[in-house]
Amino acid sequence: GENVEQHPSTLSVQEGDSAVIKCTYSDSASNYFPWYKQELGKRPQLIIDIRSNVGEKKDQRIAVTLNKTAKHFSLHITETQPEDSAVYFCAASRTDSWGKLQFGAGTQVVVTP
Amino acid sequence: DAGVTQSPTHLIKTRGQQVTLRCSPKSGHDTVSWYQQALGQGPQFIFQYYEEEERQRGNFPDRFSGHQFPNYSSELNVNALLLGDSALYLCASSLKGTMANIQYFGAGTRLSVL
Repeated sequence: GENVEQHPSTLSVQEGDSAVIKCTYSDSASNYFPWYKQELGKRPQLIIDIRSNVGEKKDQRIAVTLNKTAKHFSLHITETQPEDSAVYFCAASRTDSWGKLQFGAGTQVVVTP
Repeated sequence: DAGVTQSPTHLIKTRGQQVTLRCSPKSGHDTVSWYQQALGQGPQFIFQYYEEEERQRGNFPDRFSGHQFPNYSSELNVNALLLGDSALYLCASSLKGTMANIQYFGAGTRLSVL
């Protein structure tokens, strides 16, 4: 089955700097890659996603890149703000798998003012 | 428009007991998935329900069972609770079809087994 590895496990950045989180996946048939943000005690919130037919997607300060050949994808947050502090999870899925998401272990991002 | 709602928010049980968790999907959604999130880890897929049938199952024992009702709401049942079942149980809803992967999560039920 699918296996998703996520790095780093923790990331500390100064406010205004950029943060990058990387994930690799094992199943070459995976074609949907969402990113979730989970603040302490709250639900995972979908912040951006990408499908395998595109290589990059941006939404304001957040971008995701996908390299299908290398089977890895990354989340980029620019101009970080204290409210970006949370745990971020990457996930991978196949559209023929009824939407089952395989999650990475998560990255704790701490943005210091 | 209500999002995904789960009840109860917290639950304390003892080993060997049984528990039922409930989930109402986001309005317009017809598919419900359940995930277990242990402390400090990513969510792990338990199973998914569509048209009142279990469509896919993760690597969880038969002690974990579920049900989906005609109004698309769902229950997760866990029998013979073990200490290791202590976790946050998340429900996610989606719409069958090409958008099936896009899942929206509830706030979860925190289960503590003593």
